[in-house]
Amino acid sequence: AQSVSQHNHHVILSEAASLELGCNYSYGGTVNLFWYVQYPGQHLQLLLKYFSGDPLVKGIKGFEAEFIKSKFSFNLRKPSVQWSDTAEYFCAVNAGANNLFFGTGTRLTVIP
Amino acid sequence: IAGITQAPTSQILAAGRRMTLRCTQDMRHNAMYWYRQDLGLGLRLIHYSNTAGTTGKGEVPDGYSVSRANTDDFPLTLASAVPSQTSVYFCASSEQGFGGELFFGEGSRLTVL
Repeated sequence: AQSVSQHNHHVILSEAASLELGCNYSYGGTVNLFWYVQYPGQHLQLLLKYFSGDPLVKGIKGFEAEFIKSKFSFNLRKPSVQWSDTAEYFCAVNAGANNLFFGTGTRLTVIP
Repeated sequence: IAGITQAPTSQILAAGRRMTLRCTQDMRHNAMYWYRQDLGLGLRLIHYSNTAGTTGKGEVPDGYSVSRANTDDFPLTLASAVPSQTSVYFCASSEQGFGGELFFGEGSRLTVL
């Protein structure tokens, strides 16, 4: 079955550590890729997106993600996390006209 | 502030009862969506509407119905609630459909006993 996989369920980091959250998908063809973030007690909001062009995309708050087509991956990175980055992160893939599939999410806890 | 408004924010419901979750947007987006969020399962699409007057089924539509009488409103109805429908429900809208950015509401936490 087609799917979006986020292998890290819970990641705990100290402030200033580097972050990489994995996202793999199994859809062929053209895809649009997203990372959404849900801060504690808040609604989901877009962190960054990839439609086409430069496979390295930059988003808000110093986040970036790299689309590697050959690996069906769209990993999220940040060089130095802050306590305020504590949140749940969702990868999402649009692979057709009427779908947007989300991964199961990765909870990030940043320790001050 | 423009956005998505959901009501109620939280509700406890007896099994077998009918429940409608309301969703209103003021961004004039054509597309609207209902997702449910469950621990370990992420967000799953229940129903969607690409434009007023049309609706479609998502991944988990059973037990739910929607209507889209106008651009702004997209209510989700549980005709006869069951405990497995205990979840957090998110309404969202998008200017560009599934390929664009989704704007989410604050969520409605529903508990079915």
